[in-house]
Amino acid sequence: GEEVAQTPKHLVRGEGQKAKLYCAPIKGHSYVFWYQQVLKNEFKFLISFQNENVFDETGMPKERFSAKCLPNSPCSLEIQATKLEDSAVYFCASSQSWGFEQFFGPGTRLTVL
Amino acid sequence: GENVEQHPSTLSVQEGDSAVIKCTYSDSASNYFPWYKQELGKRPQLIIDIRSNVGEKKDQRIAVTLNKTAKHFSLHITETQPEDSAVYFCAVLKEYGNKLVFGAGTILRVKS
Repeated sequence: GEEVAQTPKHLVRGEGQKAKLYCAPIKGHSYVFWYQQVLKNEFKFLISFQNENVFDETGMPKERFSAKCLPNSPCSLEIQATKLEDSAVYFCASSQSWGFEQFFGPGTRLTVL
Repeated sequence: GENVEQHPSTLSVQEGDSAVIKCTYSDSASNYFPWYKQELGKRPQLIIDIRSNVGEKKDQRIAVTLNKTAKHFSLHITETQPEDSAVYFCAVLKEYGNKLVFGAGTILRVKS
């Protein structure tokens, strides 16, 4: 596709429940990124992939967050045992190659109650 | 790690005036500097970018200038229009890195 797609648009979870978000990068793009935008607008990098391989996971809270990009499937970001502070908009982005422009998806708004 | 500071946090201008937003960064290895515009509830959209081998780039009413020595870059919007109202984010990409480090954002309000 010509745009990054993300599902679902909104997700509501009770504290302690699992949340799973999906991202389809632009066709032909090799790199996928996940960013978290909290209410104060601040963007936080979580993880990046080069095709199906993790490229940089320095931003991931590893004890509860995991992510995958498998061939012929949407990429996913999963949060086990959600906490109130996980409430945010999660954006996926993709780029054609290393150091190229990153194009963002519409985001998934996660609300943890 | 990289630190990006963005100023001002809010900016109100009259329609037709110019708006300037400035970002400073800390890592001299940074070599790609995009600007994103984000409207309420929408995705960030790339509006202009510049690489470290260029000092200035212009696209119609939007321009970006880069001073690598001083480690700062600025977004210039001329002849502002109400539809320019949004949150603008600068970002920095390090050479051999691939993650964007964002500034805190500037809320631009264009009053008609």
